[in-house]
Amino acid sequence: AQRVTQPEKLLSVFKGAPVELKCNYSYSGSPELFWYVQYSRQRLQLLLRHISRESIKGFTADLNKGETSFHLKKPFAQEEDSAMYYCAPPFNKFYFGSGTKLNVKP
Amino acid sequence: KAGVTQTPRYLIKTRGQQVTLSCSPISGHRSVSWYQQTPGQGLQFLFEYFSETQRNKGNFPGRFSGRQFSNSRSEMNVSTLELGDSALYLCASSLLGDRGHTGELFFGEGSRLTVL
Repeated sequence: AQRVTQPEKLLSVFKGAPVELKCNYSYSGSPELFWYVQYSRQRLQLLLRHISRESIKGFTADLNKGETSFHLKKPFAQEEDSAMYYCAPPFNKFYFGSGTKLNVKP
Repeated sequence: KAGVTQTPRYLIKTRGQQVTLSCSPISGHRSVSWYQQTPGQGLQFLFEYFSETQRNKGNFPGRFSGRQFSNSRSEMNVSTLELGDSALYLCASSLLGDRGHTGELFFGEGSRLTVL
């Protein structure tokens, strides 16, 4: 089955530290993946999609076909990055990963 | 352009009752999908409607049902409520067209259901 896996439920880092939220996928072909973010008291929203290859709020995500991963990275975490992050596949796009809660400590 | 609107935002029900939640998608979006969000289970897919037809369905019991109207507005219904149905129910709309088309999901703020 086509699916994505987010192995970490909770990730805590200090402000200014690098952060990497992991997402692994398990299907073949050329996947197009998305990262969604949900800040406290806000609606779930698209953070970035890999085909655009853009950086949003300092976050980037590189598709690694060899490792079948689409990890979300930011070199210097900020407190406002604290949120729930979901990885989502495009095909069967409705089946999100289980989510990772990022807590950036001051 | 108005975003996805969900009503009601909050509601409290008792076990055994039923509930109907409503979702108005972004104008022009024909795909509406529903999700249950809980702290323990994360974001779980319920079903997706496109042009008034249920096109995808998650792994939820038959107590969870939905429908879509000709104006793309959608409702979901949960019958015989259980305590475990307490959750935030989210809907999302998309320009998703043909199967396999990849499109951004636009989420509503959700309907928070508490079952007592």
